[in-house]
Amino acid sequence: QVQLQESGPGLLKPSETLSLSCTVSGGSVNTDGSYWSWIRQPPGKGLEYIGYVSYIGNNNYNPSLKSRVTISLDTSKNQFSLTLTSVTAADTAVYYCSREIRNCFDPWGQGTLVTVSS
Amino acid sequence: QSVLTQPPSVSGAPGQRVTISCTGSSSDIGAGYHVYWYQQFLGTAPKLLIYDNNNRPSGVPDRFSGSKSGASASLAITGLQADDEADYYCQSFDRSLRTYVFGTGTKVTVL
Repeated sequence: QVQLQESGPGLLKPSETLSLSCTVSGGSVNTDGSYWSWIRQPPGKGLEYIGYVSYIGNNNYNPSLKSRVTISLDTSKNQFSLTLTSVTAADTAVYYCSREIRNCFDPWGQGTLVTVSS
Repeated sequence: QSVLTQPPSVSGAPGQRVTISCTGSSSDIGAGYHVYWYQQFLGTAPKLLIYDNNNRPSGVPDRFSGSKSGASASLAITGLQADDEADYYCQSFDRSLRTYVFGTGTKVTVL
């Protein structure tokens, strides 16, 4: 079955750019009809949808983050990635990658904590 | 920016039935979009529990059930067990925001 694993730096300074990758195993990121998403969860708080990239590179982003977010595919590595610019302490969160299937999210990666601190 | 409202906590004794509400609006659940539920144990990733309002993925016990009416939805847990202690989140789509939205989350405590 499909499994996902996030990777990337865990500590950033304010104004820097967050870059995370999600490696997919047990399936292909360019399978017809597949959508790959990022979701985040600040410590002790709820879930926030960030956006998705489709198997053909189309995107949907949360309007609250749209100006700072890019999600892209790397089919050669069977990965998809998240870039979030100009981070602040409010971007401190556990970042999850997930497959969007029929308008819900399943499965999820284990998550990676990104802390923004000077 | 949660737009779906859930009670912060619910509790029950082992064997009891508890329900978690998820209240939306005419832009999301009330607009006819499906509701999904996730279970999240402390320190782990969420897991899909209910899809399309009232369907369970393979492996999810039938003690968990979902329902939807109007702009609200509910998750029921019957025969409450100690290992049901977790956070539960609902999720839907908001046509005004044009994005997926999650509920505020509910912590279930087994007394």
